Amino acid sequence: DTGVSQNPRHKITKRGQNVTFRCDPISEHNRLYWYRQTLGQGPEFLTYFQNEAQLEKSRLLSDRFSAERPKGSFSTLEIQRTEQGDSAMYLCASSRTGTASQETQYFGPGTRLLVL
Amino acid sequence: GESVGLHLPTLSVQEGDNSIINCAYSNSASDYFIWYKQESGKGPQFIIDIRSNMDKRQGQRVTVLLNKTVKHLSLQIAATQPGDSAVYFCAENMNNYGQNFVFGPGTRLSVLP
Repeated sequence: DTGVSQNPRHKITKRGQNVTFRCDPISEHNRLYWYRQTLGQGPEFLTYFQNEAQLEKSRLLSDRFSAERPKGSFSTLEIQRTEQGDSAMYLCASSRTGTASQETQYFGPGTRLLVL
Repeated sequence: GESVGLHLPTLSVQEGDNSIINCAYSNSASDYFIWYKQESGKGPQFIIDIRSNMDKRQGQRVTVLLNKTVKHLSLQIAATQPGDSAVYFCAENMNNYGQNFVFGPGTRLSVLP
């Protein structure tokens, strides 16, 4: 257990519905990341926050996806009008700004989404 | 739990033997690398990292080797144990390119009794 928690762990929804996932990072970590992982592939970066500011967004993050981190602690990822191609594992990771220019990211257990 | 990586390259080793998992990374400008271990139904777990100013780094039972000339990274696991069975990913990051890590396709390690 890395200390990053995600809820729910599993979500089954019908195409066209909206879903929201939550991530609680390690408490002293100021950076938070969202990744998507499909079966047989490594995680793909979606977006990242430093405190409450969203600093990077991948081109994979279509306009149906929105992420927030309103108080610089937990984050939510919402997918509107879900499509079957959205079925994947959604992973959250966090890291702490340090003296190094890049920091180790610690991952949560993920939320598995299945769109029927 | 669900399966991670149904059609990944697989490495099978006998318990107690050493394992070597290889990764060809994509960007010659990448300067920070991490090896992650992922078990079924779980998120990736940090194993070891290395920066581009080094060519070798050792941890507990694990060693990472970096060859920047051929853009190759390897993870060596000594005295492989059943608990080492998982999918292993290398991830690369390029400084001044934000915090976006790019993950390799992964290798499944199976430890035989």
